[in-house]
Amino acid sequence: GQNIDQPTEMTATEGAIVQINCTYQTSGFNGLFWYQQHAGEAPTFLSYNVLDGLEEKGRFSSFLSRSKGYSYLLLKELQMKDSASYLCAVRDSNYQLIWGAGTKLIIKP
Amino acid sequence: TAGITQAPTSQILAAGRSMTLRCTQDMRHNAMYWYRQDLGLGLRLIHYSNTAGTTGKGEVPDGYSVSRANTDDFPLTLASAVPSQTSVYFCASSDRPEADTQYFGPGTRLTVL
Repeated sequence: GQNIDQPTEMTATEGAIVQINCTYQTSGFNGLFWYQQHAGEAPTFLSYNVLDGLEEKGRFSSFLSRSKGYSYLLLKELQMKDSASYLCAVRDSNYQLIWGAGTKLIIKP
Repeated sequence: TAGITQAPTSQILAAGRSMTLRCTQDMRHNAMYWYRQDLGLGLRLIHYSNTAGTTGKGEVPDGYSVSRANTDDFPLTLASAVPSQTSVYFCASSDRPEADTQYFGPGTRLTVL
C-alpha cells in the first residue's frame, strides 16, 4: 500500500526553528510537495522536491532523500502566522498525489 | 484573476438527495482534480481530469461522478448522498499532470444528514 507519515502535532516558540518530518512509501515517485493549510482555508503550495537535496525559499526550506523515502520542511524565524497545518504529498507513478494527514504546528509567543 | 472558484461554500443535504458541486478555473489549466478532506485523514483524490474530455477515477470514486466538457469547468455530482459523504471538498488544477504545483479552490463544506 501507499503511505505518508508525518507527526500529528508540533509546538514551537515564536522566533525559533522547527523541522517537520515526512516519510513515505509509494508506488513510484515523481516529486514531493509541501503545502500549508490554515484552519478553514484551502491548502497553498510551499515547495516541490524531485531531486535529492535542499531547496531553500526564504524562511522555508525543504529537503529530500529519495533513497530513504524521507523529507523534511524547515521553518526558520517562526512567526505567529506560521501556525497552520503542513501537508506532505508524494506524486506516484500515475501522477496522482498521495497526501499525509498533515502536521498541525502551534506557535507560542 | 480569480483562479479557482467553487460553489456553494457550504451545504446541508438530506440523505438520498443529489447534488452537484461546481468548480471553475480561469487559468486555462489542463488538469483538474476533486479531493475530499476528512479530520485526521489526508486529502483523498475522488476523480481527476488530465485534459478536457477525459476523466479518471482516484482513490475514493464510489458515489461520485464528474464530467469535463470544457477546460474551465469540472463539476462533481453526488447522485444519492449518504452521511459518509459529509466532508470538505476541494477542487484543484494544474497546468498539466506533471506540473510542480496544484492550485486549490476555497472548498465546499458538505453535510449530509
